[in-house]
Amino acid sequence: NAGVTQTPKFQVLKTGQSMTLQCAQDMNHNSMYWYRQDPGMGLRLIYYSASEGTTDKGEVPNGYNVSRLNKREFSLRLESAAPSQTSVYFCASSVVAETQYFGPGTRLLVL
Amino acid sequence: QKEVEQNSGPLSVPEGAIASLNCTYSDRGSQSFFWYRQYSGKSPELIMSIYSNGDKEDGRFTAQLNKASQYVSLLIRDSQPSDSATYLCAVNGLEGGSQGNLIFGKGTKLSVKP
Repeated sequence: NAGVTQTPKFQVLKTGQSMTLQCAQDMNHNSMYWYRQDPGMGLRLIYYSASEGTTDKGEVPNGYNVSRLNKREFSLRLESAAPSQTSVYFCASSVVAETQYFGPGTRLLVL
Repeated sequence: QKEVEQNSGPLSVPEGAIASLNCTYSDRGSQSFFWYRQYSGKSPELIMSIYSNGDKEDGRFTAQLNKASQYVSLLIRDSQPSDSATYLCAVNGLEGGSQGNLIFGKGTKLSVKP
C-alpha cells in the first residue's frame, strides 16, 4: 500500500516549457487535490476533484490545468511555465473533503 | 475572506516541556479541524482531528477546540527534539466557494531544544 505517489520528485524547466505532474493513490479515495506550497504562503489549493469525472478550481488555478484520469490518478499540467510557478507541489487524497493524505511532493524550479 | 491564522514562530521550548500551538479561524460555519505536522523537506502528515468543543487527547498530543471563540490549539506534552517541525492548522471552509475543502494556516515552526 503506497498511499499517494507523485512523479517526478524534482524538475527544472525553462520559462515557456510545459510539463505534467502525475499523482496516483491506491486508497480508493474519491477526492483528490493539488496544492502548491511557497515560503511564507502556506498550502494553497490549485484544483481539486471531488469525484471521478469532476474537477473544480481552487484558490490559485491560473496557469494550470488538471485531468482526473480515473479514480486513482489526478494530473496537473503547466502549459507554459513561468518563474512564478516555482514551488513545491503536493497532491493529496481523501474519502471526503476533510481528512487528507499527502504525497511526497514535487519540487519545481522554473528558470 | 476566509482565513486561518497561526503565529509563524519559531516557538522554542526545552525538551520535556509543554508546547502550545494556537490557531484562529474566520469561518463560523466550520465543523472540522485538523493539525498536520510537516518536517523540513517533507509532506504534511495528519496528527490530530477534532470536531466537537473541548479536548481530544492522543498520546502526548491534545487538541482543544472552542467554536464560540473560533480557536483551536494543539498541546504537545513532554516535548522531544523529534517534535521539531512546522505544525499546520487546517479548517474546513464553508463560505465563498470552499465547498468544504480545507483551508490551511501558514504554520508554526516548533523547535525543541535538548
